[in-house]
Amino acid sequence: KAGVTQTPRYLIKTRGQQVTLSCSPISGHRSVSWYQQTPGQGLQFLFEYFSETQRNKGNFPGRFSGRQFSNSRSEMNVSTLELGDSALYLCASSLDWGFSDGETQYFGPGTRLLVL
Amino acid sequence: GEDVEQSLFLSVREGDSSVINCTYTDSSSTYLYWYKQEPGAGLQLLTYIFSNMDMKQDQRLTVLLNKKDKHLSLRIADTQTGDSAIYFCASGGANAGNMLTFGGGTRLMVKP
Repeated sequence: KAGVTQTPRYLIKTRGQQVTLSCSPISGHRSVSWYQQTPGQGLQFLFEYFSETQRNKGNFPGRFSGRQFSNSRSEMNVSTLELGDSALYLCASSLDWGFSDGETQYFGPGTRLLVL
Repeated sequence: GEDVEQSLFLSVREGDSSVINCTYTDSSSTYLYWYKQEPGAGLQLLTYIFSNMDMKQDQRLTVLLNKKDKHLSLRIADTQTGDSAIYFCASGGANAGNMLTFGGGTRLMVKP
């Protein structure tokens, strides 16, 4: 079974641009979560989607948004990029929503975004 | 909100046991996880423990949970150089949904 895939793996953008990252969860998984990883702030939760609906959102500005499609694939978008948005963006998929029966999350390899 | 703390660094000799510690603040955390991250890679799920368990063993990995003290540990037996990585503890289930709260990570260095 294929794991979580994220595209692109690397991205360079300049300040003020916008970017879209994509995540394809494990086949059959319906929940997708996004995390930002930086050396200074560590791993921080961005948002999660289940059945095409945002179910939970972290403490990030409105420039960060996402969506989920009917096939469970998810995209996140960052508009008006700032230097501080440089980070590794990780996507995680899980079978269902909510911690039932040891629900586990499997992470993709991440998209490394550099903002110049 | 929830806070998860880990020590920054641990160095051990190959063949020794490694113990990585973690403390968390939210007693309503349902599941506690250990993830491993190698350079340039995503997070690899190592193991997890449900909050009503005290211990879980999985091959070379032993997880101990002291719910009273909100303390979690990961013991790696017979540590190998391939175990060198950053280890993250994470808590989940305190809030609705699948959100995980991560510690800052412990960098494990295994010397030959």
